[in-house]
Amino acid sequence: DVKVTQSSRYLVKRTGEKVFLECVQDMDHENMFWYRQDPGLGLRLIYFSYDVKMKEKGDIPEGYSVSREKKERFSLILESASTNQTSMYLCASNTPSSYEQYFGPGTRLTVT
Amino acid sequence: AQSVSQHNHHVILSEAASLELGCNYSYGGTVNLFWYVQYPGQHLQLLLKYFSGDPLVKGIKGFEAEFIKSKFSFNLRKPSVQWSDTAEYFCAVNARSFQKLVFGTGTRLLVSP
Repeated sequence: DVKVTQSSRYLVKRTGEKVFLECVQDMDHENMFWYRQDPGLGLRLIYFSYDVKMKEKGDIPEGYSVSREKKERFSLILESASTNQTSMYLCASNTPSSYEQYFGPGTRLTVT
Repeated sequence: AQSVSQHNHHVILSEAASLELGCNYSYGGTVNLFWYVQYPGQHLQLLLKYFSGDPLVKGIKGFEAEFIKSKFSFNLRKPSVQWSDTAEYFCAVNARSFQKLVFGTGTRLLVSP
């Protein structure tokens, strides 16, 4: 079974803090993705990575950065958290040939 | 740019009723199509997928979906819903040449016992 884990289920941070969200997958997948999920907006892609140290912007990258130093780990960084970044953050992974993405449980981030 | 429309944002059904959730996409080329489900408190999981072949695909838990290329649609169906089908359902599309999935805005289904 593919397993995608995220470092926290719930996180509360203050405005202006630097926030790290970690994601680890155990299936040797090349691709990893970060989404945010908001009611009525569905899932929107923030960034994805198709290889170690490679990244590509998604649809809403502003205010976020990412890091992929190892194949199994993909980090999402909020350089200076703002209240409009309060959301559910989902990590996913897949292989280029399968297209199907496997999701982690999500991190519900609240920025106060 | 690709986009996905799910026209039903909230659906309320009684147990044993039939379900059909609409999904339309905009992209002229070859696509892969997915339905994902998110049960309360659980992570997003794949319900079914279509890559090629028979346009009627069957997924888990009695769900099926039909790809109608001429209508750019991939509607999800279930003949008889159960209370345990209460969840949020997402349609997603990706163009064969891209790795990114584009999701619809989701449909919240509530099944009353």
